[in-house]
Amino acid sequence: KAGVTQTPRYLIKTRGQQVTLSCSPISGHRSVSWYQQTPGQGLQFLFEYFSETQRNKGNFPGRFSGRQFSNSRSEMNVSTLELGDSALYLCASSFWSGVGETQYFGPGTRLLVL
Amino acid sequence: EDKVVQSPLSLVVHEGDTVTLNCSYEVTNFRSLLWYKQEKKAPTFLFMLTSSGIEKKSGRLSSILDKKELFSILNITATQTGDSAIYLCAARPDSDMRFGAGTRLTVKP
Repeated sequence: KAGVTQTPRYLIKTRGQQVTLSCSPISGHRSVSWYQQTPGQGLQFLFEYFSETQRNKGNFPGRFSGRQFSNSRSEMNVSTLELGDSALYLCASSFWSGVGETQYFGPGTRLLVL
Repeated sequence: EDKVVQSPLSLVVHEGDTVTLNCSYEVTNFRSLLWYKQEKKAPTFLFMLTSSGIEKKSGRLSSILDKKELFSILNITATQTGDSAIYLCAARPDSDMRFGAGTRLTVKP
């Protein structure tokens, strides 16, 4: 099976712009979660989608939004970028089995805001 | 406020040693606790724990959860240099997910 893919892998934007990141989960996985990782704040949870519905949401401002399509692919959007949005954005797809949940992370999109 | 605290923050051991990493949590409406290993790339999922006292095991790694005392431990036996990484735990309350700062483990040959 192909792993979780994220595009683009690297991105440079300027303050005030907006950005859309894409995540394709492993085939058959219906849950996609997004995370932000920075040296200062560590790993933080953004949101989780399951079957096109946002199921959980972390403590991020409304500038951060996401969606999931019927094929389980997900996008996250950050509007009005700020310097502090520079980070590694990770997505993970997951499935549930008898032993619980298993997650697989994509390689991440590294965003630099200038 | 929900929080997750990992200890120690860093640890240096020699190959063959056994290590125990700690994760304590205070979250509202706790659902599960997860462990990850992160090297120089994206995290790798290790375990998800929901029930107290049931050990999850994968090779030399094992983990257990204590919901009464609000902590979890990750054990690594017979450590190898390839175990060098940052180990992260995360607690899931109702609709969020809180990560600890991680334990940086260095295994020397």
